[in-house]
Amino acid sequence: LAKTTQPISMDSYEGQEVNITCSHNNIATNDYITWYQQFPSQGPRFIIQGYKTKVTNEVASLFIPADRKSSTLSLPRVSLSDTAVYYCLVAPFFSGGYNKLIFGAGTRLAVHP
Amino acid sequence: DVKVTQSSRYLVKRTGEKVFLECVQDMDHENMFWYRQDPGLGLRLIYFSYDVKMKEKGDIPEGYSVSREKKERFSLILESASTNQTSMYLCASSSPEGQFFGPGTRLTVL
Repeated sequence: LAKTTQPISMDSYEGQEVNITCSHNNIATNDYITWYQQFPSQGPRFIIQGYKTKVTNEVASLFIPADRKSSTLSLPRVSLSDTAVYYCLVAPFFSGGYNKLIFGAGTRLAVHP
Repeated sequence: DVKVTQSSRYLVKRTGEKVFLECVQDMDHENMFWYRQDPGLGLRLIYFSYDVKMKEKGDIPEGYSVSREKKERFSLILESASTNQTSMYLCASSSPEGQFFGPGTRLTVL
């Protein structure tokens, strides 16, 4: 399973765009990249998933370069409620291996007024 | 929406007690998981199940067992609770769209 590296913490202000980059140098061909958000005393919440190029949904965008050795989660115009820990995970999309997700320490994002 | 529920949000048990943590999902997912989360250690996989009556050890199975008698229900069992099992326990089920987590059970073993 590909190991990921993310910044431990980030600070931002309300209304700004936040980009969190994750490195996954040994990503495999059948690996997908998934991001989760976790608030204190709650389970992680799925944000977005992608394989290559760009994926966008109602809450975030995910940018994946051609070599797929990194990915960037982009949160547009953050608010105080976006203060949370963000996890980047890499795992095969199918097969039993997909399920063995490894959560690292994540990135603790603090949004200030 | 996928819903994963856990039987208790908070639980306090004594050392040596047998503890059952229940998890139910309503989306007919085949795969279900139990994690524990501790400060500074992130989420660690205890056990997972990819079908009824099937189970596989995760990274930290010692001191735990699991039961999957029905597709929607996955139980985590602490045979004899110890203080080092005080933690937040998270259940999840998965589909190709990702893993969906329950709210967690904060277990304290005294």
